[in-house]
Amino acid sequence: DVKVTQSSRYLVKRTGEKVFLECVQDMDHENMFWYRQDPGLGLRLIYFSYDVKMKEKGDIPEGYSVSREKKERFSLILESASTNQTSMYLCASRPPGQVRVAFFGQGTRLTVV
Amino acid sequence: GQQLNQSPQSMFIQEGEDVSMNCTSSSIFNTWLWYKQEPGEGPVLLIALYKAGELTSNGRLTAQFGITRKDSFLNISASIPSDVGIYFCAGRFDNAGNMLTFGGGTRLMVKP
Repeated sequence: DVKVTQSSRYLVKRTGEKVFLECVQDMDHENMFWYRQDPGLGLRLIYFSYDVKMKEKGDIPEGYSVSREKKERFSLILESASTNQTSMYLCASRPPGQVRVAFFGQGTRLTVV
Repeated sequence: GQQLNQSPQSMFIQEGEDVSMNCTSSSIFNTWLWYKQEPGEGPVLLIALYKAGELTSNGRLTAQFGITRKDSFLNISASIPSDVGIYFCAGRFDNAGNMLTFGGGTRLMVKP
């Protein structure tokens, strides 16, 4: 089974802090994604990466950056956390080729106070 | 822009009833996926559809890839309390590269 693991289930951070959300997958997938999920807005793509050191902006990249130094790990960085970044963050990975299925981690619920 | 509409937004049903939800897109999709998300968890894949007209079942769940390639439905038969959760459709527009687009979700509540 594919396993996508996010490092924290719950985080509470202060406004202005630098926040790292980590995601690791164990299936050698090339494509990895970060989404945020908010009530009424569904899942919105923040960033994705299709290979090591490669990244592309999604629909809502402002206030975020990402890092992909190793194939199995994709980090989401909030340079200076703000209260409007309080949300559920979901990491996903997907194998290459025609299979378009994305596998999700368990999510990180981030609260910025 | 390209849009994906999922309906209904929420459903409150009696245990044993059948459930139907659907998604429609503004443009052609080449893949339809259905996920279920339980409270506090990430979405889990239920069914994947790759061809227009494809009908696929997974236990009590059945999903179809519409002939027009712009819609898909998910049916759940004989619902049980553990069916509670949010169901998302997702798909890839023809010109969207690696990107998946998600519907807004259908929140299902089942009364025992």
